[in-house]
Amino acid sequence: DTGVSQDPRHKITKRGQNVTFRCDPISEHNRLYWYRQTLGQGPEFLTYFQNEAQLEKSRLLSDRFSAERPKGSFSTLEIQRTEQGDSAMYLCASRSRGGFEQYFGPGTRLTVT
Amino acid sequence: DAKTTQPTSMDCAEGRAANLPCNHSTISGNEYVYWYRQIHSQGPQYIIHGLKNNETNEMASLIITEDRKSSTLILPHATLRDTAVYYCIAQTGANNLFFGTGTRLTVIP
Repeated sequence: DTGVSQDPRHKITKRGQNVTFRCDPISEHNRLYWYRQTLGQGPEFLTYFQNEAQLEKSRLLSDRFSAERPKGSFSTLEIQRTEQGDSAMYLCASRSRGGFEQYFGPGTRLTVT
Repeated sequence: DAKTTQPTSMDCAEGRAANLPCNHSTISGNEYVYWYRQIHSQGPQYIIHGLKNNETNEMASLIITEDRKSSTLILPHATLRDTAVYYCIAQTGANNLFFGTGTRLTVIP
């Protein structure tokens, strides 16, 4: 399968713990996006990479959140000191240079207890 | 990016055409109209996009009014697998997409 993959698919953590999610984009897609989706809402943009450069961050991305894409391939999203309000689906997407469509992964569902 | 307005929900009989409207009255000349859909528990899926002209692909047709203030996504023969939330997005570029709450389409057997 050559689609966008995300790991893990589900994560349950206790409040205050740190969590890290991984996204593997479609090969040779140089743009990578992270979104967050809560129940009943559409996905909300968090941050965007072009190759290894993080070009844009939403105000939703508080200082407890950090994202990296060190070699311009896979990306990680880390949440430090998780809070119950961080419970959501975290979606990753990738896009090719010149392409219009974003291809989404299946998401990582985070539950903070 | 232009604000879009969509009905909260719609029903469509299986085998019939599903016509999903979207209002984007403040759209500017360089903003595209994108449609994505999200089937339950999956990531969103790109359907189609357009600027001025009507567009068709293997999934759907996009009809944009001449003044570009509204558009309609048409699924020509809806199946049960088309039950999903459909998002209409109007913006320049294709980066940080603003999804809104979309239209929940239910295809009825």
